[in-house]
Amino acid sequence: DAKTTQPPSMDCAEGRAANLPCNHSTISGNEYVYWYRQIHSQGPQYIIHGLKNNETNEMASLIITEDRKSSTLILPHATLRDTAVYYCIVRVAHGSGNTGKLIFGQGTTLQVKP
Amino acid sequence: KAGVTQTPRYLIKTRGQQVTLSCSPISGHRSVSWYQQTPGQGLQFLFEYFSETQRNKGNFPGRFSGRQFSNSRSEMNVSTLELGDSALYLCASKEQGIYNEQFFGPGTRLTVL
Repeated sequence: DAKTTQPPSMDCAEGRAANLPCNHSTISGNEYVYWYRQIHSQGPQYIIHGLKNNETNEMASLIITEDRKSSTLILPHATLRDTAVYYCIVRVAHGSGNTGKLIFGQGTTLQVKP
Repeated sequence: KAGVTQTPRYLIKTRGQQVTLSCSPISGHRSVSWYQQTPGQGLQFLFEYFSETQRNKGNFPGRFSGRQFSNSRSEMNVSTLELGDSALYLCASKEQGIYNEQFFGPGTRLTVL
């Protein structure tokens, strides 16, 4: 699985959009970008994933650059409950890669401030 | 559906002892994975079981083992506990199928004294 690079920490004002970047310059054509978050002392929670098109769900939006070497997770209106560690993971999602194995980096600690 | 459950939630053991942790996946999920989380090493993959067979294994010593039962429930065992085994142990389950995300349990906090 390709390696990802994320800033160690970020702050965001409550009610504003939080934009969390992730660099994955060695991503392969069959690898997807996944985002999970972990609120303090809880298990990680799936947020969103994508291959090359931008994706949106009820939690967030995922913007992947055209060359797929980086992506941005957007929380459109951050709340205090979004304070968490956000992990960007790149992995093959089908075939032999369709397993439960996830390689977590250090993630980005997002602090949402009132 | 009920979420992933893990028991016990907290555990204190002493060096040299062994411990067994239990995980009940979401109904219908046949893949169960285990992770160890420590402040120094972060979240690390231990192993994955699918249909009672170990499908993947992380880079951990043989003291760490696991198994899965026919109802998909899983246990992991750590023998000859060391201080460094103190960690949050997380279990996750997923449906077999492409793109499916993992659902994590709340974890078991193991403290080794």
